[in-house]
Amino acid sequence: KAGVTQTPRYLIKTRGQQVTLSCSPISGHRSVSWYQQTPGQGLQFLFEYFSETQRNKGNFPGRFSGRQFSNSRSEMNVSTLELGDSALYLCASSLDTQGNQPQHFGDGTRLSIL
Amino acid sequence: AQTVTQSQPEMSVQEAETVTLSCTYDTSESDYYLFWYKQPPSRQMILVIRQEAYKQQNATENRFSVNFQKAAKSFSLKISDSQLGDAAMYFCAYRIQGAQKLVFGQGTRLTINP
Repeated sequence: KAGVTQTPRYLIKTRGQQVTLSCSPISGHRSVSWYQQTPGQGLQFLFEYFSETQRNKGNFPGRFSGRQFSNSRSEMNVSTLELGDSALYLCASSLDTQGNQPQHFGDGTRLSIL
Repeated sequence: AQTVTQSQPEMSVQEAETVTLSCTYDTSESDYYLFWYKQPPSRQMILVIRQEAYKQQNATENRFSVNFQKAAKSFSLKISDSQLGDAAMYFCAYRIQGAQKLVFGQGTRLTINP
């Protein structure tokens, strides 16, 4: 069974641009969560999607958005990129949204802002 | 707000010895889960062990075990017979019952000395 797949693995952008990251969950998993990992702030929750609906959102500005498609694949978008958005973005999938099943993480997308 | 604290930024241990990583958390919830995740240089976050708060018995997974002290809000990870492949960042994480959002500690970098 394939794991959580995140694309691209690396991305370099400049300030002011926008970026879209993709996450394909494990087959059968309907819940997808996104996290931002930086050396200074550590791992922070961005948002969670289940059945194409955003269930929970972390404390991030509106420049960070996401969506989930009917096949459970998810994308997150960051507009008007800032230097501080440089981070490892991790996606995790789970069978349910109640927290009874463990979350499985992908390898992440490393985003660098120049 | 829930917080997770890992007071040891770095730990090192000799191969084949035992090491304990510390974690404390703060919450007013009664139903929650606690986790230890391992993140090697490959970046993927790997679930090591999980503990349900309602269970008094400490979780064990092969060489990995936890010491869960609910009243003290403490959740330490013991790694027995340390192996070179155990070298990684270890994150303690918390999740309330019924939600997917994980709250992570700042991590402990574990080095295994041959």
